[in-house]
Amino acid sequence: DTGVSQNPRHKITKRGQNVTFRCDPISEHNRLYWYRQTLGQGPEFLTYFQNEAQLEKSRLLSDRFSAERPKGSFSTLEIQRTEQGDSAMYLCASSLRGQETQYFGPGTRLLVL
Amino acid sequence: QQQVKQSPQSLIVQKGGISIINCAYENTAFDYFPWYQQFPGKGPALLIAIRPDVSEKKEGRFTISFNKSAKQFSLHIMDSQPGDSATYFCAAAGNRDDKIIFGKGTRLHILP
Repeated sequence: DTGVSQNPRHKITKRGQNVTFRCDPISEHNRLYWYRQTLGQGPEFLTYFQNEAQLEKSRLLSDRFSAERPKGSFSTLEIQRTEQGDSAMYLCASSLRGQETQYFGPGTRLLVL
Repeated sequence: QQQVKQSPQSLIVQKGGISIINCAYENTAFDYFPWYQQFPGKGPALLIAIRPDVSEKKEGRFTISFNKSAKQFSLHIMDSQPGDSATYFCAAAGNRDDKIIFGKGTRLHILP
């Protein structure tokens, strides 16, 4: 068990481009969460999945953002038509349903120029 | 509206001293209060957590004190060490495995 992994670790893109991030949770974890963290702030919840079902989406998740977890294992977060305000660390966490602890990955740092 | 308020924003403590970080919450539906530690370039890692049916929880040098009536809780780090230098987040959640609401963080620096 290597923990939650995220790829890429860093992404630099130009405004208007689309980007996609991947998260691989801990293998037996059925809950997967996406958070966004800007400089000097705490992580903010974006969305979460139980298995392949997306159960909740934050108001922060505009229609340019879409997340999927097609087979209940890894998840992808896509941002379309990126804006400079999307620059942040995107964190993924996973947990086992019924247990409180969420285990975070190292994050993907996005910079939109 | 910020649901979890954390203070101070930054803290400098001498090695061997006690570091104290305070948090307050608004939503009485919260029933799980974790503290996360984050080092630069890493994701947050769970340090210690408490539920509101106890007033204190201790794990090694780390203690959470919880005051349900005041809707406040705090983290005490005893015998603070330079390796404790990191950003600490208090947080709250409403159900056993619901989304976590984080405070803004406290940047702790322990002087050697």
